[in-house]
Amino acid sequence: GESVGLHLPTLSVQEGDNSIINCAYSNSASDYFIWYKQESGKGPQFIIDIRSNMDKRQGQRVTVLLNKTVKHLSLQIAATQPGDSAVYFCAENPFNQAGTALIFGKGTTLSVSS
Amino acid sequence: DAMVIQNPRYQVTQFGKPVTLSCSQTLNHNVMYWYQQKSSQAPKLLFHYYDKDFNNEADTPDNFQSRRPNTSFCFLDIRSPGLGDAAMYLCATSTRQGNQPQHFGDGTRLSIL
Repeated sequence: GESVGLHLPTLSVQEGDNSIINCAYSNSASDYFIWYKQESGKGPQFIIDIRSNMDKRQGQRVTVLLNKTVKHLSLQIAATQPGDSAVYFCAENPFNQAGTALIFGKGTTLSVSS
Repeated sequence: DAMVIQNPRYQVTQFGKPVTLSCSQTLNHNVMYWYQQKSSQAPKLLFHYYDKDFNNEADTPDNFQSRRPNTSFCFLDIRSPGLGDAAMYLCATSTRQGNQPQHFGDGTRLSIL
């Protein structure tokens, strides 16, 4: 079946480094993607989203890159901080409609050491 | 702040004893979702309400039901919880528009004795 997946289950970085979390998707028709951050014991928190008519979108310390040719999505976190430690999920809205299940990747656990 | 609130944060019930989880939202969103998330896994959609219309996912067990008495509130009822139903249950909301994120509450962690 079609799904959104992540390349690495865990990523460990030093405080101040830049982090890159990757995600591959298989539904070439999808045109809306979201990155969520989930801290222990909390719900997924929206970080940033991107539509397929864009290649790049920037937020505060975060950048999402979309490569439709190879169906790849990445989240870049600049100057990673201990508070960035969490599980990061990419998610895809395959039908670009409200009321549909988001297809989540398996998640990458980011650990930031001081 | 506008938000999605889930109560209780932790719920313990006995095997087979009905339990209800609640969700409220101040975002005035039309769509409300219930997801199940087991340890180290991604959330899995159980069902959603698009306004008053209930939409069940094909693989959601009959043991799980939902009610939405008004725009702000949505309930998840588990009629006869089994040990396999122990999980985090997440409520989310969204607008009617497609290119908008779903906003999640902090979940209710359900334990079954």
